[in-house]
Amino acid sequence: AQTVTQSQPEMSVQEAETVTLSCTYDTSESNYYLFWYKQPPSRQMILVIRQEAYKQQNATENRFSVNFQKAAKSFSLKISDSQLGDTAMYFCASEANSGYALNFGKGTSLLVTP
Amino acid sequence: GAGVSQSPSNKVTEKGKDVELRCDPISGHTALYWYRQSLGQGLEFLIYFQGNSAPDKSGLPSDRFSAERTGGSVSTLTIQRTQQEDSAVYLCASSLAENYGYTFGSGTRLTVV
Repeated sequence: AQTVTQSQPEMSVQEAETVTLSCTYDTSESNYYLFWYKQPPSRQMILVIRQEAYKQQNATENRFSVNFQKAAKSFSLKISDSQLGDTAMYFCASEANSGYALNFGKGTSLLVTP
Repeated sequence: GAGVSQSPSNKVTEKGKDVELRCDPISGHTALYWYRQSLGQGLEFLIYFQGNSAPDKSGLPSDRFSAERTGGSVSTLTIQRTQQEDSAVYLCASSLAENYGYTFGSGTRLTVV
């Protein structure tokens, strides 16, 4: 079984600043995948970034990057140069290589202020 | 289609009535998933389809819930004799392959009164 924990229910950041959202997970799988999803008020979940656990290099997508610490089972998301449009719920999720169901954390509500 | 389409967007129903929620996945995506998002509860896995078959129905919360998928495309989630605790956002997602992340629809907000 996999569990995902997001310890920050709410966060706030000023426009153009950098913010880091925390995520820890627990898994007995030898290989797995980790994801960050964004859910704006429109409700549609949008894939932000994906990390393969067997890859050492941290994934990066434009202003979004992760700090993947496999031994610590930590997968934090860094948003650089925050924009008002980044305001949303952010969900961390894991998926076993042998599986298909995503296990989600409870989410972090991020507010970007002018 | 270009994205995952769900209908209706919002549904209000009376307790005890049956409801059908529809999901139209991205064309060519063989895998389809249903999740439930309740306030303060995060996302809860309901069911997974590979083609028309559902190898994992373990997430369906009770026998009032059922789902089917026809033609490897459209899926319908049916809730019979709705209860107030069924009120939630029901999200559908599809994917071309496992482990690459899903594409989600915008969900159906179900309110049982």
